[in-house]
Amino acid sequence: EIVMTQSPATLSVSPGDTVTLSCRASQSITSNLAWYQQRPGQAPRLLIYDASTRATGIPARFSGSGSGTEFTLTVSSLQSEDVAVYYCQQYDSWWTFGQGTKVEIK
Amino acid sequence: EAHLEESGGDLVQPGGSLRLSCAASGFTFSNYAMTWVRQAPGKGLEWVASISGSAYTTFYADSVKGRFTISRDNSKDTLYLEMSSLRVEDTALYFCAKDQHDIPSEYFDPWGQGTVVTVSS
Repeated sequence: EIVMTQSPATLSVSPGDTVTLSCRASQSITSNLAWYQQRPGQAPRLLIYDASTRATGIPARFSGSGSGTEFTLTVSSLQSEDVAVYYCQQYDSWWTFGQGTKVEIK
Repeated sequence: EAHLEESGGDLVQPGGSLRLSCAASGFTFSNYAMTWVRQAPGKGLEWVASISGSAYTTFYADSVKGRFTISRDNSKDTLYLEMSSLRVEDTALYFCAKDQHDIPSEYFDPWGQGTVVTVSS
């Protein structure tokens, strides 16, 4: 099983900050990676797929990068509505999720 | 716009059974693979099972293999998860989600709002 490890577990940031979330795969997954946002009490929402392609309707302040085993989600100019838990997911071999990074406002 | 709505969650005793449903709309249901993902209270996301658009191919997580059965009725645009021999650790919010192809292979979009399964005596 491919293990996905996200860091940090929690990020405390101020509105307007740029935040960088990391996701590491236990083996190469090429670019078969998605990022989801889960706001409190809501279902996950697809943000990024194929490591760097924004899903329909996702603001340009969300961007993804990386390939192989190291991936990054960057949220520029953070807004209060971006408070959420962010999950990475690989779909190279079956489907596994990272444990999530919680983004909160200071 | 694709929309998914789960139902069927309930409180059930350990060893019991339950069937979850997921009603789909806004897309040609039979053309897409579908998936169940669960989230234990306060925990992360765990893939549970996936089924191809034709229902010919199914995949299961080891944690549920032999106890859960995923199925679909393309005439009713509905996905199912038949759960048996339920354990306390199956307690979770269960989401259904749409894949991007007819074979389970990629990311999930969109997701339903989920239905709660509680396994407790």
